[in-house]
Amino acid sequence: DADVTQTPRNRITKTGKRIMLECSQTKGHDRMYWYRQDPGLGLRLIYYSFDVKDINKGEISDGYSVSRQAQAKFSLSLESAIPNQTALYFCATEAQGSNEQFFGPGTRLTVL
Amino acid sequence: GIQVEQSPPDLILQEGANSTLRCNFSDSVNNLQWFHQNPWGQLINLFYIPSGTKQNGRLSATTVATERYSLLYISSSQTTDSGVYFCAVRGGGSQGNLIFGKGTKLSVKP
Repeated sequence: DADVTQTPRNRITKTGKRIMLECSQTKGHDRMYWYRQDPGLGLRLIYYSFDVKDINKGEISDGYSVSRQAQAKFSLSLESAIPNQTALYFCATEAQGSNEQFFGPGTRLTVL
Repeated sequence: GIQVEQSPPDLILQEGANSTLRCNFSDSVNNLQWFHQNPWGQLINLFYIPSGTKQNGRLSATTVATERYSLLYISSSQTTDSGVYFCAVRGGGSQGNLIFGKGTKLSVKP
């Protein structure tokens, strides 16, 4: 089945460590997004990419970086993790012109 | 930017009851989606509905774009309907991210 997958699904790390979250999709969609969800809140955008050569900052990009290695892969990095980056992270995809977004299963990240 | 408000914030139902969840938004939109976040945190697409009415089994949704609101109807609720329901929109003149409401937390009791 065409899908959006995220790895790892759960991760516990320590303050100051570098960590990468990965997203892959088999939907053939051009557009990919990284969101973060904090307890009791909706999702907020970190970065998005409309194609391999296009990267855009979202609402809360400070402390994060991304890499679009291929149309199907979009990675999120925390260069030096801090406790307030503890959250649930979602990757999403969208076909150009469709307006509908599809979400991966999420990565639960804890920074101690 | 566009504002999204969902009501009620919390809802407790007995199994078998019906419910209506509301989403108000502050500007024209080119995308409106309803999601169900289950207790394991997964976001499940329910409807893509920037306008009009759709039905899928016990769930249906209506968006009245001119009046800037959308409604999600759940009929004959089941315990597996429990979780948080999110409405998310994208402004009519923009591309990029969805703006999420804070959600309605639904608990269905057996």
